[in-house]
Amino acid sequence: GAVVSQHPSWVICKSGTSVKIECRSLDFQATTMFWYRQFPKQSLMLMATSNEGSKATYEQGVEKDKFLINHASLTLSTLTVTSAHPEDSSFYICSARGQFVATNEKLFFGSGTQLSVL
Amino acid sequence: SQQGEEDPQALSIQEGENATMNCSYKTSINNLQWYRQNSGRGLVHLILIRSNEREKHSGRLRVTLDTSKKSSSLLITASRAADTASYFCASSSGGSYIPTFGRGTSLIVHP
Repeated sequence: GAVVSQHPSWVICKSGTSVKIECRSLDFQATTMFWYRQFPKQSLMLMATSNEGSKATYEQGVEKDKFLINHASLTLSTLTVTSAHPEDSSFYICSARGQFVATNEKLFFGSGTQLSVL
Repeated sequence: SQQGEEDPQALSIQEGENATMNCSYKTSINNLQWYRQNSGRGLVHLILIRSNEREKHSGRLRVTLDTSKKSSSLLITASRAADTASYFCASSSGGSYIPTFGRGTSLIVHP
């Protein structure tokens, strides 16, 4: 099956620093990648949709200058949390949707990144 | 955007019993998917059912879809302790096929 690799799995940082999270599709080309945020025991909140080679589409209420998304290739998307603050602490998950019918309808998820901002 | 709502929010059963989770959505869909999430991990795709389908099976999983009631159910038969996880439904509609997730059902299977 299609594999999505997300790194790092967890990160602890000081308030004010920036953190980059990578999401890679390992064995398929992902035309679209999604970034979600999840609070404990809650659902996934879609933050943004990124398409290769174009600007990300952010959901209402998500600050695009705060959460920078880059989707430079068909296999890599990155989320950078800029000037992180304690309220940004959360579980961030990426998912990818493939280019072809076999990998297009369902989402393939990374294993998530637990961000803790001190 | 529409959102699937799972019911119940939490379910605790004994190993060997069946577990049924329900999902409701608000508007017409292209498809509905069920995912599983182990604590602190990403989601794993379980089953996709299209709007013109009524039932699908995959191993011990059975998914039904009732478009007239805008609802779906996930049945796990002969549950195992390893089935302990959160289960989410995700519905997509329109041309974008962007799934919207419900709040999930937390399933605990006691050995």
